[in-house]
Amino acid sequence: AQSVTQLGSHVSVSEGALVLLRCNYSSSVPPYLFWYVQYPNQGLQLLLKYTTGATLVKGINGFEAEFKKSETSFHLTKPSAHMSDAAEYFCAVTYFGNEKLTFGTGTRLTIIP
Amino acid sequence: DGGITQSPKYLFRKEGQNVTLSCEQNLNHDAMYWYRQDPGQGLRLIYYSQIVNDFQKGDIAEGYSVSREKKESFPLTVTSAQKNPTAFYLCASSIENARMNTEAFFGQGTRLTVV
Repeated sequence: AQSVTQLGSHVSVSEGALVLLRCNYSSSVPPYLFWYVQYPNQGLQLLLKYTTGATLVKGINGFEAEFKKSETSFHLTKPSAHMSDAAEYFCAVTYFGNEKLTFGTGTRLTIIP
Repeated sequence: DGGITQSPKYLFRKEGQNVTLSCEQNLNHDAMYWYRQDPGQGLRLIYYSQIVNDFQKGDIAEGYSVSREKKESFPLTVTSAQKNPTAFYLCASSIENARMNTEAFFGQGTRLTVV
């Protein structure tokens, strides 16, 4: 079975500060990991993904995430928060040959002016 | 432009009625999915389909039904048996993942409210 845990349902950061959203996964086989962003009343948009290869993955809007197998983590970071980053963020996991994508419960990011 | 279209954006249903949510994609994707989103619970899988005329139950299929008569279309019916249907419903599609990672593309969602 696969699962993801997102620590912190709500995170607030000041504009210009570091954004860190935490995701830990559980998978008995090598995982494929994703971060999605959702703006109010919208669908989900892919930010970045890890499948194989380089463990530091860069995505859109200045976000990046690092796959750490030893820590079973895939935390999302951005060096400097912008007001437009306010949204809900979802971590998700699957693996090769699996038809299902399992999502975490989401983290709502608030940016303080 | 390629993408996934969900309609309607807002839907109101009286108790005891069945309603059908539309999902169409022109991405030529094999796999399609329906998720339900409730506050604080993330996304939960209702049904998914990897090929035409075939679909499987997800984690919360009770009270829902689907069909996949065409590759482009995957409508979801919320039946009167669904006890708490008020939620945000998201449709997604992806390239069949036999040889590739699975990256899901999402529609804009349908917000269903029982009145």
